[in-house]
Amino acid sequence: DVKVTQSSRYLVKRTGEKVFLECVQDMDHENMFWYRQDPGLGLRLIYFSYDVKMKEKGDIPEGYSVSREKKERFSLILESASTNQTSMYLCASSLYWMTGRYNEQFFGPGTRLTVL
Amino acid sequence: AQKITQTQPGMFVQEKEAVTLDCTYDTSDQSYGLFWYKQPSSGEMIFLIYQGSYDEQNATEGRYSLNFQKARKSANLVISASQLGDSAMYFCAMREVFGNEKLTFGTGTRLTIIP
Repeated sequence: DVKVTQSSRYLVKRTGEKVFLECVQDMDHENMFWYRQDPGLGLRLIYFSYDVKMKEKGDIPEGYSVSREKKERFSLILESASTNQTSMYLCASSLYWMTGRYNEQFFGPGTRLTVL
Repeated sequence: AQKITQTQPGMFVQEKEAVTLDCTYDTSDQSYGLFWYKQPSSGEMIFLIYQGSYDEQNATEGRYSLNFQKARKSANLVISASQLGDSAMYFCAMREVFGNEKLTFGTGTRLTIIP
């Protein structure tokens, strides 16, 4: 059964802290994604990666960085957390686009981050 | 740039009735894919159905069907015989087909099924 896991369901941090959100997939997917979800705004793409050590900016990369040292793991880093980064963070993965018809993204359960 | 519009922030539907969730999109691409995802209160996004821009027939998956009207740029999700377990947020999303894995999501519709 396909699975994307995220390190925490709930996280509370203080302003200025460095925050790591971890995502692991066991489907051997090439692509991995980080989104944030806010009420009334839907899901917005922060960063994505289509291969190990490769990354591309999404629509809202400011204040975030990512790391992909292994194919199965994609980390989102908040270098200095701020209150406006309080949000739900969702990780997803998918196959390389030529592999399948749908190439739907499979999502993790999400991490609800609160920055105080 | 791609854009997805879901104009219904919330809907209330009686159990066993059919429900249509609206989705319109804007793109200059000829090749694209449209997805619907369900997000229950647990938070996890669940893939429901896919429609390719060149697919001649509307997609169906069990109780879910997609009313695809290409000229009107709409891709409405139809749920037949709604159940209490259908209560959730529903998101429409679009992706360029060739070589671009990014999904653009709409703002979602919260569907509540009334017993």
